[in-house]
Amino acid sequence: GQNIDQPTEMTATEGAIVQINCTYQTSGFNGLFWYQQHAGEAPTFLSYNVLDGLEEKGRFSSFLSRSKGYSYLLLKELQMKDSASYLCALDNTDKLIFGTGTRLQVFP
Amino acid sequence: DTGVSQDPRHKITKRGQNVTFRCDPISEHNRLYWYRQTLGQGPEFLTYFQNEAQLEKSRLLSDRFSAERPKGSFSTLEIQRTEQGDSAMYLCASSLTDRDTNYGYTFGSGTRLTVV
Repeated sequence: GQNIDQPTEMTATEGAIVQINCTYQTSGFNGLFWYQQHAGEAPTFLSYNVLDGLEEKGRFSSFLSRSKGYSYLLLKELQMKDSASYLCALDNTDKLIFGTGTRLQVFP
Repeated sequence: DTGVSQDPRHKITKRGQNVTFRCDPISEHNRLYWYRQTLGQGPEFLTYFQNEAQLEKSRLLSDRFSAERPKGSFSTLEIQRTEQGDSAMYLCASSLTDRDTNYGYTFGSGTRLTVV
């Protein structure tokens, strides 16, 4: 299997920066997705990395290193509405394989 | 297009009953996926269709589960003889895929099943 691991829970303060890590054990995938999911809602797309390196999109950035089997999602200038679960997922064309998800709580 | 729609949003059923969920994908999308998500976990793949053909089924999809996409548009997921362990959020997603290129997935809001 792909063994995709993420920390279960993280906490941070409003206005701070937080990095959510994702490690995996496979080489056969097209790219890596990050999704945000608020409780009881659909996962929504945040980012997609195909090549190694950093992809920046506003307050959110995502990094991928295929050789290290590692990705992270960086959230800057945290807001209360960023409290949610963050899911990393490997894209093997036929389907997405998700990690366990990281529940982020942002405090004032 | 209003995105991926799932119906119902919530379903409470007694153990042993059959339930059926519906998913309406984005109309231009040729692929449709079903996932199951339990509390505090990421979604787990169940099955997917390309048009009306069911191309892959996970080992998680026991013989009590059946999915159909008869005309390549909407899909149904039926669970027979429900068990308490079936309680979960059932997510549907759709995508447009051309040969080896997937142009992105869109998820529905899910159907939350509670088996009592």
